[in-house]
Order: sequence, then structure tokens, then C-alpha cells
Amino acid sequence: NAGVTQTPKFQVLKTGQSMTLQCAQDMNHEYMSWYRQDPGMGLRLIHYSVGAGITDQGEVPNGYNVSRSTTEDFPLRLLSAAPSQTSVYFCASSYPSNTEAFFGQGTRLTVV
Amino acid sequence: KQEVTQIPAALSVPEGENLVLNCSFTDSAIYNLQWFRQDPGKGLTSLLLIQSSQREQTSGRLNASLDKSSGRSTLYIAASQPGDSATYLCAVGGGGADGLTFGKGTHLIIQP
Repeated sequence: NAGVTQTPKFQVLKTGQSMTLQCAQDMNHEYMSWYRQDPGMGLRLIHYSVGAGITDQGEVPNGYNVSRSTTEDFPLRLLSAAPSQTSVYFCASSYPSNTEAFFGQGTRLTVV
Repeated sequence: KQEVTQIPAALSVPEGENLVLNCSFTDSAIYNLQWFRQDPGKGLTSLLLIQSSQREQTSGRLNASLDKSSGRSTLYIAASQPGDSATYLCAVGGGGADGLTFGKGTHLIIQP
């Protein structure tokens, strides 16, 4: 009964480093998405995918890359980390996009 | 662009009280509305999902209503308990693939 699993839970990066945030779901959901949560801003959509091989940009996509090679996995890549990317990142899935969304436990990222 | 507002931003009440959290949205052309609970340092837990054709949904001590024409939803919590202390988030789905639009949340504290 795993649901949506995100790894790692915490990460500290230096400016300019790259890394991948992992997200996996075991509910056979078509739709997956990434959000970032910042104080006073609410959650904002970064990228989303409506199925394997299909991705698109959300509200704040700059500096992030995604791919969807399988139904289960939707990794988020930071190409060259910046302090402005310090945030809590949440992955979500649903079947399809307009049904109940399930969220992972989040990754707290600090860029120094 | 859809905007979601939650009032109040913070609320502190004694245990046992019934309370109402408010959510308003600017574009009434929504597909669904979802209420989440977020505990400190944790992910989002789905509480209730209301489709645009529905007026309300109930789960235990929680009742959520939706008035699409006026752009409002309320979350009613009956007989509040200290374990209800958390941040409550309202999110609106437009029916498309571009995810949910979130409010900034109501931080609720139930005093024992």
C-alpha cells in the first residue's frame, strides 16, 4: 500500500550542482505531476505528464526537466541548482488528471 | 487565471468546537474541488473530493460543500479534537491536464 513514494526526503545541494528527485507510484495512475511549495506562495505546478512518453510544462518549469519512460516513475531533474530552487517538492498522481490526487511525502531541498 | 483564496489564514479554537474553513475561487468553470490536510513536515492527505456536479461530500466529522456559481467552498469540522491541528488546503481542478490550483491554506490549532 505504498501509494506515491518520493526519494530522497532531504537534500542539500551546492549552487550549480545537478540532481534528480525520484517519484514512483504503484496505483497505475496515468497522470503524474510535480509541485513546489514555498512559504506564502502555496503549491505551484512545475511539470506534469498525462502518460508514459508525454510531458508538459506547468506554471514554473524553468530550471527543471522531466521524463516519463514508464507509467510508474516520474523523475524531476534539476539541471544546475540555484538558491531560488530551495523549496519543498511534492509529486502527485491521479487517474486521470481530473480525479482525486494523491501526494507523496515531499522532498525538502536546500541549495546553498 | 484561476485564483484560490482561503480564509482565515490561521485559526485557534478550543477543543470540542464546530468550525468552518472557507475557500473561494475566481473562475467558476471548475471540474472538481479537493480539500487536503498537511501536517508539519509531511505530505498532503486527501480529505474530500467534490465534483462540480455535487453540492457536498461527507467523511466522518468532515463535511465539504461547494457552491460553484458563487465560487465558494466550505469545510465544516464537527466536534474538533487536538488531532485535527494541521494546515488545511483547498485546491481547484479545471478539468484539463494542468493540475490543481491551490490556496495558501488555513493553519488550524485545536487547544486541548
